[in-house]
Amino acid sequence: EIVLTQSPGTLSLSPGERATLSCRASQSVRRYLAWYQQKPGQAPRLVMYGASSRATGIPDRFSGSGSGAEFTLTVSRLEPEDFAVYYCQQYDSSPPTFGQGTKVEIK
Amino acid sequence: QVQLQESGPGLVKPSQTLSLTCTVSGGSISNGDSYYTWIRQHPGKGPEWIGYKFYSGRTYYNPSLESRVTISVDTSKNQFSLKLDSVTAADTAVYYCARISLWLGEFSHFDLWGRGTLVTVSS
Repeated sequence: EIVLTQSPGTLSLSPGERATLSCRASQSVRRYLAWYQQKPGQAPRLVMYGASSRATGIPDRFSGSGSGAEFTLTVSRLEPEDFAVYYCQQYDSSPPTFGQGTKVEIK
Repeated sequence: QVQLQESGPGLVKPSQTLSLTCTVSGGSISNGDSYYTWIRQHPGKGPEWIGYKFYSGRTYYNPSLESRVTISVDTSKNQFSLKLDSVTAADTAVYYCARISLWLGEFSHFDLWGRGTLVTVSS
């Protein structure tokens, strides 16, 4: 199965700063890469799919890029509600797999 | 709009069978455009995909769980269910049902999730 490695494990930033999260796949997943946001006690929420397409209701401060095995999720200016754990997920090949997560915390 | 709701026991004894149901409301489970699946998440870890069985009969389970997993569909109740045999403490997790979405005609991501249900395996 494809292994997704996210970095960094934790990102400590202040509101208004830029967040850059990385996801590396053990082999090419083309652009079948999605990102999720998860807050404590809640289910993951889809943020990005197809590497760079925002999900419904996601503000345009969120952007995604990459293809093949290297992907990035960027939040241009962090709002208080953006502090959460973010997971990447691939579905280029079965079984679909998730990364271990990046926690974006308030500095 | 479509909503998903998991239900089932929150506590299961070791070696027994974990059984959960997901009820789909606001849409038909036998809609050919909708695909539903089970995902679990161990405390502090990334989600782990369990598998799916569609109303059409198409089935695929995560190879890591395949020997213990059965997913079934009840179109009359608009529900799908998960059974996981011979559970151990390692099966303690939050279990979610979710909807699989297509992108460019292929399975791609999970665009709708239930709230999840915590299942603890303990005697």
